[in-house]
Amino acid sequence: DTGVSQNPRHKITKRGQNVTFRCDPISEHNRLYWYRQTLGQGPEFLTYFQNEAQLEKSRLLSDRFSAERPKGSFSTLEIQRTEQGDSAMYLCASSPRGGARTDTQYFGPGTRLTVL
Amino acid sequence: QKEVEQNSGPLSVPEGAIASLNCTYSDRGSQSFFWYRQYSGKSPELIMSIYSNGDKEDGRFTAQLNKASQYVSLLIRDSQPSDSATYLCAVAAGGTSYGKLTFGQGTILTVHP
Repeated sequence: DTGVSQNPRHKITKRGQNVTFRCDPISEHNRLYWYRQTLGQGPEFLTYFQNEAQLEKSRLLSDRFSAERPKGSFSTLEIQRTEQGDSAMYLCASSPRGGARTDTQYFGPGTRLTVL
Repeated sequence: QKEVEQNSGPLSVPEGAIASLNCTYSDRGSQSFFWYRQYSGKSPELIMSIYSNGDKEDGRFTAQLNKASQYVSLLIRDSQPSDSATYLCAVAAGGTSYGKLTFGQGTILTVHP
């Protein structure tokens, strides 16, 4: 399967703990995106990378959140000092190229975070 | 006003009927428009993309775009029970934010036999 993969698929943690999620995009896709989705809502944009450069961050991405894509391949999203409000599905997507027109974003299966 | 709004659901149609899903957006600079389908507990999967005014057909699905009215819709012909899902409208801005998709809240569609 050459789709977007995310690990872990589920994470349960206690409030105040740090968590890290990983996303492996479709091979050769140079754009990678992170979104967060809560029940009954559409996904909300968090951040995106073109290759290793982080080009945009949402206001939703507080200083407790950090994302990296060190070699322009996989990406990690870390949440420090988790809060119950961080409970959500964290979605990763990738697209094949940049340019003036947004190319289709393909989503991974998501990581469901539950903060107790 | 929300940036992307979808018609409130849930929407229930009988099998074989046409389901009509609507979406309006506020950013006139928006360049690209997408419809995603999301089954319960799963991630969004792309159904259609549309970039120019008019209709775009793919099998049982037709996307319609009217940039002057800031309106995009999805028609599903010959609806099947397997089409029962949440349908998400997503809009991409132009300019420097063209990497970002803004989603509507989704419309839940139920197709009953």
